[in-house]
Amino acid sequence: AIQMTQSPSSLSASTGDRVTITCRASQGISSYLAWYQQKPGKAPKLLLFAASTLQSGVPSRFSGGGSGTDFTLTISCLQSEDFATYYCQQYYSYPYSFGQGTKLEIK
Amino acid sequence: EVQLVESGGGLAQPGRSLRLSCTASRFTFGDYAMHWVRQAPGKGLEWVAGITWNSGNTGYADSVSGRFTISRDNAKNSLYLQMNSLRAEDTALYYCAKALSGTSGNIDYWGQGTLVTVSS
Repeated sequence: AIQMTQSPSSLSASTGDRVTITCRASQGISSYLAWYQQKPGKAPKLLLFAASTLQSGVPSRFSGGGSGTDFTLTISCLQSEDFATYYCQQYYSYPYSFGQGTKLEIK
Repeated sequence: EVQLVESGGGLAQPGRSLRLSCTASRFTFGDYAMHWVRQAPGKGLEWVAGITWNSGNTGYADSVSGRFTISRDNAKNSLYLQMNSLRAEDTALYYCAKALSGTSGNIDYWGQGTLVTVSS
């Protein structure tokens, strides 16, 4: 099974900051990677898929990159509503898998 | 707006079975792959199982393989998860989720979840 490892596990930042979260796959997954945002008590929300394609309705301050085993999620100018937990997910092959999550907190 | 409504959760004893259901509406259910994803209390997301649009391909997490079975009835716009030999570690909120296409694993809509508690 493919293991997904995110770093950091938690991150403190301020409104207006630029932040980057990294996701590493234990083997190559091409660009079969999605990023999700989850707020407490809510279902996750799709942000990006195919590593860098922005889901409809998601603000352009979110961007993704990478292919193969190393991927990034960047938020260019943090807004108050961006403080949440972020997960990457590989859907290259069964069993699909999520990273452990990165909790983005207000500094 | 897509709607996914899960049901069937509850309290079960270890070793017993439960069947989760998900009723879909406001999209053409039979055109899309579907998934079950769970989240234990205070923990991260865990992909559980997936099924393609025509039930031609299914997949399972190692942690549930051989115990859980995913299925769908496109005529009834419904997705199911048969959970046998339940364990305490299966305790979680179970989400029904819609994929972006008929065979994909990326998820664009989620239900609100149904809680499964496994305890004696």
